[in-house]
Amino acid sequence: EVQLLESGGSLVRPGRSLRLACAASGFSFPNYAMTWVRQAPGKGLEWVSGISGGGEHTYYADSVKGRFTISRDNSKNTLFLHMSSLRAGDTAVYYCGKDRSTMVTLIEDWGQGTLVTVSA
Amino acid sequence: EIVMTQSPATLSVSPGERVTLSCRASQSVRNNLAWYQQKPGQAPRLLIYGASTRATGIPARFSGSGSGTEFTLTISSLQSEDFAVYFCQHFNVWPPYSFGQGTKLEIK
Repeated sequence: EVQLLESGGSLVRPGRSLRLACAASGFSFPNYAMTWVRQAPGKGLEWVSGISGGGEHTYYADSVKGRFTISRDNSKNTLFLHMSSLRAGDTAVYYCGKDRSTMVTLIEDWGQGTLVTVSA
Repeated sequence: EIVMTQSPATLSVSPGERVTLSCRASQSVRNNLAWYQQKPGQAPRLLIYGASTRATGIPARFSGSGSGTEFTLTISSLQSEDFAVYFCQHFNVWPPYSFGQGTKLEIK
């Protein structure tokens, strides 16, 4: 059974940094692309960032490009999202997701999410 | 960036009814389209990918169709557990892969 467990969400001041992690189990982690999607309170889904199975290809939404960095440690089956220069608009539940292939496409399995609140 | 537009924003329906949700892309995404279901307090769940292929474990009452810029998700006979928010997402060519704003199915 695929399991994705996000962690690292918290209350953080504007301008500060935060790193999210997603621990994966139940599948061959290096063989699948991974994605971060966020959802602001009461709003829809926003695609944030994706990374290929081997980690060689990374992609970002324009809203986070230059501020967020996605990475993965395939030896530890863990996905990361390093977020810097955080803004109030980054407040959201952040979900990690497993793709159906090694390249970034859709999200076949989702974690339960971790809440990031950016506020003074 | 491709913009995905869903309609309507909210749909009031009765259990047992057939319902069709629409999703439009601002440019062709071929058949690179997925549908997700999200219930309150839960993570989304993949329903349909490749515009018309049901994901593992998804009941046959869910079906998807379309290609290019126009897509539909049909639920043939609404069950109580189907009242939720539905999102479409394209995954054509390169990311970012945008989502539609969602359609909420509520009980009439």
